This record gives sequence, C-alpha cells and structure tokens, in this order.
Amino acid sequence: QKEVEQDPGPLSVPEGAIVSLNCTYSNSAFQYFMWYRQYSRKGPELLMYTYSSGNKEDGRFTAQVDKSSKYISLFIRDSQPSDSATYLCAMRGQGAQKLVFGQGTRLTINP
Amino acid sequence: DAGITQSPRYKITETGRQVTLMCHQTWSHSYMFWYRQDLGHGLRLIYYSAAADITDKGEVPDGYVVSRSKTENFPLTLESATRSQTSVYFCASSEILAGGRILAKNIQYFGAGTRLSVL
Repeated sequence: QKEVEQDPGPLSVPEGAIVSLNCTYSNSAFQYFMWYRQYSRKGPELLMYTYSSGNKEDGRFTAQVDKSSKYISLFIRDSQPSDSATYLCAMRGQGAQKLVFGQGTRLTINP
Repeated sequence: DAGITQSPRYKITETGRQVTLMCHQTWSHSYMFWYRQDLGHGLRLIYYSAAADITDKGEVPDGYVVSRSKTENFPLTLESATRSQTSVYFCASSEILAGGRILAKNIQYFGAGTRLSVL
C-alpha cells in the first residue's frame, strides 16, 4: 500500500463547477501538506501549502487537512478552463526534506 | 536566467548507453532532488542532496548515479540505460535556512523536466 493515495482520474467537469480533489495518507508523522499544479509538459508548481489540520483559502482555491482522518482536499470554485492540469498532493514530516507525492489527478475543465 | 534549468529537454538513447541529465539552479539552494514521473506512479524520488558532496538515495535509486561537486549543479547519470528508465525526469531544489534559521515552510521548485526515451 502506498503512503499517499490519490485518485488519478481523469476528471472532467464543466466550466464554473466546484471541483474536489482528495488524497489519503497512512503516515501520521506527516505535518506539512501541499498541492502542486502541473500543466502539460511543464514541471509542477506549488499551489497551496498548509501546516497540520485546518483550512486555507487563496482566491478560488481552498485546501483542507483532516489529520484525524488522514485526508486532505483541494477545492476549486468557479473552475476555469485554465485550471485544466494535473494536481498532485504532497506531504512531509516535521524536519523532513523529502516529499511524498500522490499519483496526481488529471483535471479537465470544459468550456 | 534565474531559476532551475534542466538539459536536455528531450533525449532518445539506446539500451546500454550512458546518459547524463543536467540540472542547474541559480538560487544557491542547499537541497536538490531528482524525481521520475510515470503514469500510475506520480513523482518518485531517485536521489537527493543536502549540500555539495552530500547525496542520498530516494525511493528508486537503482541504475542511477548522482554527484554534486558544486552547489548549483546536480547531474543524474544512467550508467547503462534500460527501457524501464524511459520516463520524464524532474529536478527540484529547496532551501531550509534563511538568516541562519530553519524555515518552517520550505518549498521545492521544479525544473521543466527531461523526457527520456530508451529504445
């Protein structure tokens, strides 16, 4: 069983829809949780960064962490075609430098 | 240009050949990483380096060699390429210190990737 599980999709939704992307993990030592966005033929870039449990909002994006359930989510409101990309969750423990990534979810927003 | 650059962007080689992928960063970040990305596996860590002359294995190191003689460069060598090493390779860097203090938030910045095909 992988340390981090993410549904690879693909996920296709109409423009304007609310998108929910999720990851589950098994290592209770993970403290820092990230979402990276990767456009086709590009490198991943950091989208959201959260520490421990709770919510973080940045514009149309909201990241949620539920450590008790070992579950993290990324919500995209008012989705746009420019949001079409692969979204990777990543996490690490306190003091660790190595990230553990999910498999990535390929998302397409249809105009 | 500032940032992290990988070369070549595309490479085709034959089984058994030695191939070196280059990674260069201009931020003087302490840490550098090599990942491979394959369908169904996401990003998997091959090797990483905490500083010049300090390297360590990641999740999938077999068949790869790294070196880090200078802080800004972190080349990845496939000593005898195999078809199973066909993949997209990403280099990343991060910094853990600022003003002598450990950063609580350290971010990995990625290069654009090298698409390698082994025939």
